[in-house]
Amino acid sequence: AQRVTQPEKLLSVFKGAPVELKCNYSYSGSPELFWYVQYSRQRLQLLLRHISRESIKGFTADLNKGETSFHLKKPFAQEEDSAMYYCALGGSARQLTFGSGTQLTVLP
Amino acid sequence: DADVTQTPRNRITKTGKRIMLECSQTKGHDRMYWYRQDPGLGLRLIYYSFDVKDINKGEISDGYSVSRQAQAKFSLSLESAIPNQTALYFCATSDPGAGELFFGEGSRLTVL
Repeated sequence: AQRVTQPEKLLSVFKGAPVELKCNYSYSGSPELFWYVQYSRQRLQLLLRHISRESIKGFTADLNKGETSFHLKKPFAQEEDSAMYYCALGGSARQLTFGSGTQLTVLP
Repeated sequence: DADVTQTPRNRITKTGKRIMLECSQTKGHDRMYWYRQDPGLGLRLIYYSFDVKDINKGEISDGYSVSRQAQAKFSLSLESAIPNQTALYFCATSDPGAGELFFGEGSRLTVL
């Protein structure tokens, strides 16, 4: 079975501070990992995926197979980063499994 | 614009009533999904369909049924709604090769 764990339901940081949203996964095969974001009153949308290895809106995430983690990081948080963030796992299973989400609040 | 549209956006109903949530998409994707979002539980997959003749149960299909009327339409039904089905329901689509899901705006259902 595949599982995604996001240990923090709520996370608050001050503007300009670094932020890290944790994601751990359980999967026996070769994983595909994604971060989705839901801004207030907007649709859930893809933020980034591990295979692209790109930085989106200053966020990066590195897949660590040894620690089975895919933490999302940004060196300097902005108020507009406040949103709900979901880590998601795909693989040989034919659908994505989502974590329970982390609500990030960036304080002024 | 190519999009994923859900109707109704909000619905209040009573226990025992039959409810249908509809999803249509203009993205031309073959794959469609229904998820349920609950606070603290994230998104959980109810049903998914990879084409009109391929419908599969997800993690929490009990109490729900679906119909894939066409490539562009995927409906979720609650035959006899109960209060613990109160939630925000999302439809999503994807292209087989890309892996990215495109979500609708959600349908908020309240069962009294």
